[in-house]
Amino acid sequence: DAKTTQPNSMESNEEEPVHLPCNHSTISGTDYIHWYRQLPSQGPEYVIHGLTSNVNNRMASLAIAEDRKSSTLILHRATLRDAAVYYCILRDSANAGGTSYGKLTFGQGTILTVHP
Amino acid sequence: DAGVTQSPTHLIKTRGQQVTLRCSPKSGHDTVSWYQQALGQGPQFIFQYYEEEERQRGNFPDRFSGHQFPNYSSELNVNALLLGDSALYLCASSLGDINQPQHFGDGTRLSIL
Repeated sequence: DAKTTQPNSMESNEEEPVHLPCNHSTISGTDYIHWYRQLPSQGPEYVIHGLTSNVNNRMASLAIAEDRKSSTLILHRATLRDAAVYYCILRDSANAGGTSYGKLTFGQGTILTVHP
Repeated sequence: DAGVTQSPTHLIKTRGQQVTLRCSPKSGHDTVSWYQQALGQGPQFIFQYYEEEERQRGNFPDRFSGHQFPNYSSELNVNALLLGDSALYLCASSLGDINQPQHFGDGTRLSIL
């Protein structure tokens, strides 16, 4: 499985933007880049995903490098509720019967602390 | 619309026993995946079920087995429990396509004494 590398921890102040980096130098052409986060005492929560182009949704933005060897999750205005472990995952694309599917391979993630 | 529900939330067993954990997927989802999360670690993929069959499996021994029912709900069974099986067991459901996110339950905390 292709691996990702993330900083162990990052800190931010409330209402400031946060840029969470992820390196994935061994990414293959068909790997999607997914981000999940896990709040304390909860299961992981989907944040965003992309393949080649930058993506935006109501939670965050995903900026993907042109060579796809790195990406950055951007939280535009951090809140206390954004304090969580953020996981950058390359979704293993296996195919069966024409439908793509794939396990999620989690690493250690980045612990984000948000200060009031 | 209920999300992924897991039962029980907590469970205590002793070494050598067997355990069954249950998962109801989010409404409309047909694929269920199971993950094991040890304390301080990221979740590790156990296996995935689709159309009542195991279609992908992680690096877990045969003591870990599962089942998916016609209503898409699923069970995870672990036999001959070891102390190292103590963990949070997470169930995730999805529509099966790689573009669809997986929705996780809050897990079952299993403690082995």
